[in-house]
Amino acid sequence: GIQVEQSPPDLILQEGANSTLRCNFSDSVNNLQWFHQNPWGQLINLFYIPSGTKQNGRLSATTVATERYSLLYISSSQTTDSGVYFCAVPGVNYGQNFVFGPGTRLSVLP
Amino acid sequence: EAEVAQSPRYKITEKSQAVAFWCDPISGHATLYWYRQILGQGPELLVQFQDESVVDDSQLPKDRFSAERLKGVDSTLKIQPAELGDSAMYLCASTDGYEQYFGPGTRLTVT
Repeated sequence: GIQVEQSPPDLILQEGANSTLRCNFSDSVNNLQWFHQNPWGQLINLFYIPSGTKQNGRLSATTVATERYSLLYISSSQTTDSGVYFCAVPGVNYGQNFVFGPGTRLSVLP
Repeated sequence: EAEVAQSPRYKITEKSQAVAFWCDPISGHATLYWYRQILGQGPELLVQFQDESVVDDSQLPKDRFSAERLKGVDSTLKIQPAELGDSAMYLCASTDGYEQYFGPGTRLTVT
């Protein structure tokens, strides 16, 4: 099955700093989502981004499907950005299920 | 804004007891997923439904886990008997065919 890697595994930032999170996947995909898991465990949709670039406030994401990676940019980070960021792509055997990466744990310090 | 509902939010049960979780997907979403998330890891798919039919349950431990979606709307995931290793977050999601939307999850502790 498809393999998903995320880097870095852990990231500590001072409030106001910028960061880039990376998601690599081992096979072609037609779908990719980024999620933020808050301290209560809720997975929040950030981006549906099978290709191209999208922006939403201080967050933006880029997926280069032909090179099998996606990037999530966080600018001017805030303490509320803390949590775990996951990317997810479809499993190759069944079109609509998803395989998650191991996540990047972000801590933003005041 | 429509949301995926799950209950209970927290459940503590003793080893060998039965436990059940409920999920109500976003109205109109035909595809429903149950995931298990162990602390420090990403969610892993347990079962996928399309309407009332199981599409993928290859990772569901069928000796103790069962899932149903009788009328193709809400769904129940059951564990019987629970084991210590089942302690995890159980997440339900539904999709509009593009994005997945997750419920708040049920955090299960088996003692």
